[in-house]
Amino acid sequence: AQSVTQLDSHVSVSEGTPVLLRCNYSSSYSPSLFWYVQHPNKGLQLLLKYTSAATLVKGINGFEAEFKKSETSFHLTKPSAHMSDAAEYFCVILTGGGNKLTFGTGTQLKVEL
Amino acid sequence: NAGVMQNPRHLVRRRGQEARLRCSPMKGHSHVYWYRQLPEEGLKFMVYLQKENIIDESGMPKERFSAEFPKEGPSILRIQQVVRGDSAAYFCASSRQPGQRQSYGYTFGSGTRLTVV
Repeated sequence: AQSVTQLDSHVSVSEGTPVLLRCNYSSSYSPSLFWYVQHPNKGLQLLLKYTSAATLVKGINGFEAEFKKSETSFHLTKPSAHMSDAAEYFCVILTGGGNKLTFGTGTQLKVEL
Repeated sequence: NAGVMQNPRHLVRRRGQEARLRCSPMKGHSHVYWYRQLPEEGLKFMVYLQKENIIDESGMPKERFSAEFPKEGPSILRIQQVVRGDSAAYFCASSRQPGQRQSYGYTFGSGTRLTVV
């Protein structure tokens, strides 16, 4: 079965410092992976997606993620955090023959002055 | 070009009442998915529908929950005889055609927050 594991439930960074949100995946074949962001009491916004093209994926708002097959990882990074990045981030894998998304448990990102 | 529209945004029901949640997919999208987010948890898949067909309901509770996507009108998630444990955010997503790697375009609505009192 395909799944994702988000290694940190909470991450705290200072504004202007790099962000690293970690995600490992488990899949018996080449996966499709996504990162979504959810601001408080809001819906989900797609940050970026990996679908077996380039392994370094650039998304919106300066985020990017690198697919590393050898490490079964798909970590989300941003060079410099902004206060507006404070939100919950979900690593997601496509499952069910392409019919459903399986979400990780989420990482709450806090950005401090 | 409106996105996925869900209503109501907030819904309060007393225990034992029925809750009806509506989802209108994006224009051109014929596939609808419902997810539930319990407090402090990630989203969990409930059901996948195409027009007039339930394709995958493996995530739906066996009792009290049902979903439909009629030929005309929005998709409806119906919860009968609600209990406190049904309190959650319910999200709807839509897509054109899943299963095609180049087209993984799932768009989520803003959700319906159900509170059972």
